[in-house]
Amino acid sequence: GAVVSQHPSRVICKSGTSVKIECRSLDFQATTMFWYRQFPKQSLMLMATSNEGSKATYEQGVEKDKFLINHASLTLSTLTVTSAHPEDSSFYICSASLLAGGTDTQYFGPGTRLTVL
Amino acid sequence: GQNIDQPTEMTATEGAIVQINCTYQTSGFNGLFWYQQHAGEAPTFLSYNVLDGLEEKGRFSSFLSRSKGYSYLLLKELQMKDSASYLCAVRDPGGATNKLIFGTGTLLAVQP
Repeated sequence: GAVVSQHPSRVICKSGTSVKIECRSLDFQATTMFWYRQFPKQSLMLMATSNEGSKATYEQGVEKDKFLINHASLTLSTLTVTSAHPEDSSFYICSASLLAGGTDTQYFGPGTRLTVL
Repeated sequence: GQNIDQPTEMTATEGAIVQINCTYQTSGFNGLFWYQQHAGEAPTFLSYNVLDGLEEKGRFSSFLSRSKGYSYLLLKELQMKDSASYLCAVRDPGGATNKLIFGTGTLLAVQP
């Protein structure tokens, strides 16, 4: 149980294009999903918190107009990197929150490796 | 401010025991998580502590002392496949629901 998928797993795009990343909780409903970014040899940095049916909450320093988040259902959240530039190249990871046994635990997707040329 | 500290790297021998420490200074506390992350992959959940004491789960155990802002992850009978980064994360009760603040991670290398 508690499986989270991401698509695509890897994407290479040209500078200036937009890229959409999907995050799905496959066997549970997740009221809250999270989007992280991880640069090489660094830890996960939270970008935004996404709640189904409401606007995402962005962390300080994250441009909401550049990183568009849509949480259309209890099993799907999407992150769109608009007008991507080489500095946006990173490993993007989503997680979905599952409440079980009185504990809220985040389960992570496999990540999306974005390379912007 | 929020600060979570872990050693950057550790090396241990196959079959041995290793302890990875984590200290934290956060504005709030609502539980501490340990995750394992292999290179190029997403983190996988290992353990959760919200009360003081030791939680044991097979070869892995995690300890928490809230008064000291301290936790450790103990790995026994090390195997080569345990070579990975180990992330300590504190749950922040303020603001967004279940928001996690991650440490920088400890890269563990298990040698034969």
